[in-house]
Amino acid sequence: EVQLVESGGGLVQPGRSLRLSCTASGFTFGDYAMSWVRQAPGKGLEWVGFIRSKAYGGTTEYAASVKGRFTISRDDSKSIAYLQMNSLKTEDTAVYYCIRGAVAGPLPFDYWGQGTLVTVSS
Amino acid sequence: QSVLTQPPSVSEAPRQRVTISCSGSSSNIGNNAVNWYQQLPGKAPKLLIYYDDLLPSGVSDRFSGSKSGTSASLAISGLQSEDEADYYCAAWDDRLNGPVFGGGTKLTVL
Repeated sequence: EVQLVESGGGLVQPGRSLRLSCTASGFTFGDYAMSWVRQAPGKGLEWVGFIRSKAYGGTTEYAASVKGRFTISRDDSKSIAYLQMNSLKTEDTAVYYCIRGAVAGPLPFDYWGQGTLVTVSS
Repeated sequence: QSVLTQPPSVSEAPRQRVTISCSGSSSNIGNNAVNWYQQLPGKAPKLLIYYDDLLPSGVSDRFSGSKSGTSASLAISGLQSEDEADYYCAAWDDRLNGPVFGGGTKLTVL
């Protein structure tokens, strides 16, 4: 059974940093792209970024709203994906979901974690 | 403002059929597959339809997807109270070089 478990969320002040982790199980983690999607309170879904599998270069893509501030990485030996968030803003407050993508790219988002809440506030 | 356009809400009676539209452009829906997600209250989204019209294992065949040009639709037949949820469409956008979502549609079963 595919499982994705996010951790690392919490309350953080504007301008500070936070790192989210996504621990995967039930599939060969290194074969798949991994994405992060967020959902602000009462709002819709917003793609944050994704990382390709090593077979496809292991490269990353980001939404314009987080580019230069957020970094996605992966440790295939531990089946963990990370979302490093720097220079956090109040508008980054959201539930952050970790998602398994396809072998060749991020879509479709076929398995989602339960999400972890990040609150950016002073 | 979402790149893909969905109606904010739809409603229909139990056992009836409802459709939810998703409108985009040539850089997203017109050239790439559409996927649909169901988000039950307080839960994480779940893949409902992928590659325009395919159902993941375990998803009821009351759900179906279609696409024509730069628009896509999700249809739900035999509506049940448990179908009350938010529904989102998503597709790759060639111009933005990333996935884009619709704003979501809240389905109410009357």
